[in-house]
Order: sequence, then C-alpha cells, then structure tokens
Amino acid sequence: KQEVTQIPAALSVPEGENLVLNCSFTDSAIYNLQWFRQDPGKGLTSLLLIQSSQREQTSGRLNASLDKSSGRSTLYIAASQPGDSATYLCAVRPNWGGGSNYKLTFGKGTLLTVNP
Amino acid sequence: NAGVTQTPKFRILKIGQSMTLQCTQDMNHNYMYWYRQDPGMGLKLIYYSVGAGITDKGEVPNGYNVSRSTTEDFPLRLELAAPSQTSVYFCASRKGGIVRDTGELFFGEGSRLTVL
Repeated sequence: KQEVTQIPAALSVPEGENLVLNCSFTDSAIYNLQWFRQDPGKGLTSLLLIQSSQREQTSGRLNASLDKSSGRSTLYIAASQPGDSATYLCAVRPNWGGGSNYKLTFGKGTLLTVNP
Repeated sequence: NAGVTQTPKFRILKIGQSMTLQCTQDMNHNYMYWYRQDPGMGLKLIYYSVGAGITDKGEVPNGYNVSRSTTEDFPLRLELAAPSQTSVYFCASRKGGIVRDTGELFFGEGSRLTVL
C-alpha cells in the first residue's frame, strides 16, 4: 500500500527566504506526482504535476523535482512571500493498469507560514 | 470556466438527517472523486467514478452513497447523518478515459458539514 509522507508538518520562515518542502512515497511505481496548495477554508489548487518520466517541473518561483527511485519529491519556493502562506500537499498516482490507478494517495501536507 | 462546483458550501445537520452534496464539472472529465478532509488526517477517498453509470468505493464509503447519471454530475448522499461525518468534503475530477491524460486533478472549493 502506497504511503506518502510530508516533512515537516509545519514550517515558518521570514519573507525572502528560499525554502524546500519534502514529499516521500513508499512505492516507486507511480504514474505522476502532483503538488497542491490549499488556503484556509478553500479547496486544493494544482501547482505542478510531474510525470514519472520527468525529473522536474517549473512554474514561476516554484520548482518541483522527482526522484522516483528514491521515492522523493521536493517543492522549491524561491524568494518566499507572505502570500505563499498556505498548506502544501503532494499526491501520487499509481502506474497505469489495475483498479488502483484511479486513486491518488495524498500526504497530510506542510503548513507554511511566511512572516513579513 | 467554472471548473468543479460544489454546493452547499456550509451545512449543519442533526443526527439522523439525510442530505445530498452536489458536485458538477464543466470540463467534460470522465473521472470524478469525493474526498473528505479531517484535521491531521489528510484526504480520504470516499467514492469515485470513472464514467457515467460507473461508481466504486474508496477507503471510507460507509454511510455514503453516490450516483453518476451524467458525465457532469456526481452527487454524494449522506443517509442517517452521524457526528463522525462532520468534515470538509471535496469533489474532484480529471480527464481520464481511453487516451492517457496528464492526470492533473481539479478540486472544488469544498463543502463544510457539521452534524450535531
């Protein structure tokens, strides 16, 4: 059974700092990995999606990397801003084939606070 | 583009009451999901559907029912509400289908349900 772990559970940084959020998974047979952002009382917004054949994806100040063999992904946020404060979740989708393909496994998230 | 729309946003139920959470998407997605999110527990899959007329149980289906009569709509029914069903419910969708999609998952804003 796939397990996804995000460490740390909470992180507080001063504005302007570069930071890394971690996501690890136990089964490397994944189709893709997706990073989400969740603001308080809101739904999940997709940030980046990395296919299993890719090593990284970039969007603005965000860069997500994937090391499938070691079961790890990182989300790098450059020059953090107070507006980046939110919970960040990662989710993995198993490989194509089999009923479990339809189901994503989510981590519990990292609560990020960027202080002005 | 509305994306995934959930109603109601908030609801308070008494124990034993029933209700339906509505979810509709306008992206012509084949796959739809219902998750519940409890503090510190991450997202748990309740039910999912891979197309109209096809539904299947997720991790925590007890106390819930779903139907998928159209591609757009995927309502979640709570029968005989219990305090344990107090949670935030999220509907999500992705393209899916015969041709491999990117796998990107899109979420609604959530429905916050309290059972007293």
